[in-house]
Amino acid sequence: GDSVTQMEGPVTLSEEAFLTINCTYTATGYPSLFWYVQYPGEGLQLLLKATKADDKGSNKGFEATYRKETTSFHLEKGSVQVSDSAVYFCARTISSGSARQLTFGSGTQLTVLP
Amino acid sequence: GAGVSQSPRYKVAKRGQDVALRCDPISGHVSLFWYQQALGQGPEFLTYFQNEAQLDKSGLPSDRFFAERPEGSVSTLKIQRTQQEDSAVYLCASSLGDRGRLLYQPQHFGDGTRLSIL
Repeated sequence: GDSVTQMEGPVTLSEEAFLTINCTYTATGYPSLFWYVQYPGEGLQLLLKATKADDKGSNKGFEATYRKETTSFHLEKGSVQVSDSAVYFCARTISSGSARQLTFGSGTQLTVLP
Repeated sequence: GAGVSQSPRYKVAKRGQDVALRCDPISGHVSLFWYQQALGQGPEFLTYFQNEAQLDKSGLPSDRFFAERPEGSVSTLKIQRTQQEDSAVYLCASSLGDRGRLLYQPQHFGDGTRLSIL
């Protein structure tokens, strides 16, 4: 079935460090891929998206490239800030039916230390 | 603001009570989704509406869960005879809906309702 597997956390980095959070998806259908971020006590916020192979989504210094050959959508940022501390979720659309519900990974907790 | 609004933010109920959770989507958004998020997990799909039509309810865990969107805007998720395993954060999301085969509209989430069953 449709699923997403993401890097388990928690991840702790120092400010200005390089960030990679791995995400892979099952190769079923032609999904759209997303990264959402959840700050403490808040709902999910869309961080970036990619709708087809080789697309690169980017926002707020974060980037992710839709890699069909490796079924991956890894999240990267060159220099993290304390304010980036949050839980990050990788998600994909399902591959069947007309509905567009999302299947999420289990989330990766990121803590950035000053 | 103009985001998805959910109420209440927190709900505590005794086991066996009925609860109702409300979602106000972004104005003009055709699609509406409910998700359940257990502690430390990603959200899991419950049900989906296109306008007032409930097109998919395959994620509802039991017949105690019921959702409606009678006028195609506000939606209510109702849980009857609550059990402790219903404790979770319930998230609502809305989107414009597909505008074409190649254009996917992302989902915008509310802050959720944290439900605790004692």
